[in-house]
Amino acid sequence: AQSVTQLDSHVSVSEGTPVLLRCNYSSSYSPSLFWYVQHPNKGLQLLLKYTSAATLVKGINGFEAEFKKSETSFHLTKPSAHMSDAAEYFCVVSDRDNQGGKLIFGQGTELSVKP
Amino acid sequence: DAGVIQSPRHEVTEMGQEVTLRCKPISGHDYLFWYRQTMMRGLELLIYFNNNVPIDDSGMPEDRFSAKMPNASFSTLKIQPSEPRDSAVYFCASSLALPLAYNEQFFGPGTRLTVL
Repeated sequence: AQSVTQLDSHVSVSEGTPVLLRCNYSSSYSPSLFWYVQHPNKGLQLLLKYTSAATLVKGINGFEAEFKKSETSFHLTKPSAHMSDAAEYFCVVSDRDNQGGKLIFGQGTELSVKP
Repeated sequence: DAGVIQSPRHEVTEMGQEVTLRCKPISGHDYLFWYRQTMMRGLELLIYFNNNVPIDDSGMPEDRFSAKMPNASFSTLKIQPSEPRDSAVYFCASSLALPLAYNEQFFGPGTRLTVL
């Protein structure tokens, strides 16, 4: 079965400093991986997705993630945090054992950005 | 397109009452998903439909929960009778195809349900 583990429940950074949100996955297959962001009282929005075409994936708002098979990781990074990045971030894997319809969400990492 | 539309945005009800949540997916999307989000359990898939047919309802917690999709533009999630432990945010999402094929799911704004 597939699973994801987000290693930090809360990350706090200062505006203008780098962001690193960590995610490890477990999968018997080549995984379909995603990062979604949820701003307060809003629905989830896709940041980026791993499609196996490239290990370094660029997303919206300056975020990117690197797929590392040897480390089973898919960490999310951004060079310089902005106040508007404060939100909850979810690392997500598609469940290949279930006709591919089920998304398995990590527990989320809440990102705080200090001025 | 207006995106995925959910109604109501907030619902407060008393234990034992019937609750109906509504969702309008993005036009042209063949898949519709219902999720529940709680602090304790995070985001959980309840059920998903393909072309209006339920494909996987293994996440539906119990018989008190039911979901229907009478046509391509409308789905309901019903709880009868409701209980305080059903209090959560319920999200509807739609997509062109399955996430296995790297397809994005588009989420609605959610319905915050409080059962007193």
